[in-house]
Parts: sequence; C-alpha cells; structure tokens
Amino acid sequence: GQNIDQPTEMTATEGAIVQINCTYQTSGFNGLFWYQQHAGEAPTFLSYNVLDGLEEKGRFSSFLSRSKGYSYLLLKELQMKDSASYLCAPAGTTDSWGKLQFGAGTQVVVTP
Amino acid sequence: NAGVTQTPKFRVLKTGQSMTLLCAQDMNHEYMYWYRQDPGMGLRLIHYSVGEGTTAKGEVPDGYNVSRLKKQNFLLGLESAAPSQTSVYFCASSYQLAGGVDTQYFGPGTRLTVL
Repeated sequence: GQNIDQPTEMTATEGAIVQINCTYQTSGFNGLFWYQQHAGEAPTFLSYNVLDGLEEKGRFSSFLSRSKGYSYLLLKELQMKDSASYLCAPAGTTDSWGKLQFGAGTQVVVTP
Repeated sequence: NAGVTQTPKFRVLKTGQSMTLLCAQDMNHEYMYWYRQDPGMGLRLIHYSVGEGTTAKGEVPDGYNVSRLKKQNFLLGLESAAPSQTSVYFCASSYQLAGGVDTQYFGPGTRLTVL
C-alpha cells in the first residue's frame, strides 16, 4: 500500500513564502506529482519530480528526496490566487504503468 | 481542443436509482481514469482503462461499473445508487509512457448527491 502525509492547512500572507511538505511510502517509485486544486474545480498539474533535487518553475519549486520518501512544494511571492488545495501524488510501480496515489491535500490560505 | 469533458456537471439521485457519467477526451490519450473525491480524503481511484476495450479495478470499485467502447470515451455507471456514493467524481486521462508515468489531465467533475 501507499501512505501519504501532508499538512491539512497552512496560512500565509501575500508576498510571503510557504513550504508544503509531503512524506510518502510507496510500493516502488516512479516519480512524484504536485497538483493544484482551486475550490470547486479540477486538479491541475504543477510539477513532476523523478530524480532527487530541486525543480524550479517560476514562483513554484518542488524538491524530492527518494531515500527519505520526502518532497516539498515551495510557493514564493504568494498571491491571492494561490489560495487552493495542493495535492501530493507519488506514483508507485505495482503495475507496469505506475498508478498515482493522492494525498488528502494541503489547503493554503493566502491573506492580504 | 476541449481537453477532458464530463457530463453531467450536477446530479441528484434517490437511493436505488441508476445513472451513467460520461467522460470524453480529445487528446488521443490511451489511459483514462475515474476518481472520487470526498472531504478530508484524497482522490481515490475507482476504475481505470489502459486502452479501448479494457478496464480494471482501482482502489474503491464496489458499486460501480465502467466501459471503454471508444478510445475517447470512458463511462462510469452506478447500478443502484447509495448515499455513500455522494461525492465529486473526476475523470482523467493521460498518455502511455513506456516504463513511466505521464501527467494526468482532469475533467471539471460531476457533483453527485444520493438522497
């Protein structure tokens, strides 16, 4: 099975930085995705890490440590539109194509 | 290019009624998935398909059936709806990658209430 742990909620002010941590246990490993989901909307892709290290994409960065079963998503220069749920989703290798398991999500609340 | 679309967007059923949720994608993706999302829980995989004419069970398949008669469509059926099936249902699709996983693209969701 797969266990995914991420905080339920985080609050930060506009312009600040927030780091969302995710720890996971998977049967094999085939990369880790982060998705953003605004209230009432579909999840949308943010990042994918398959090797250790930091991937930077504009204001968002994602880090992976495979040996520690740990990832984080870093949101910089927070904007009000970043208020959303952020889903950590590691891919296992129990099947040849690697299904995703989704964490419950971290609700980020950005305040003025 | 509409991406992934779902029909209907909202539905209210009475216990014991049946319905079918339709998912369509125009990205020529091989893989398609049905998830449900409940408060405080992550997206849970109901059924998935790795190609036309094939389906497989996911994490929470009981009470649901699926069909993939055409590559672009993936149908989710509830034969006898129960209140426990009140949820938001998301369809997703992705390309097939040899030995790897690809990004899943999600539809807008169907909000189902079973009374």
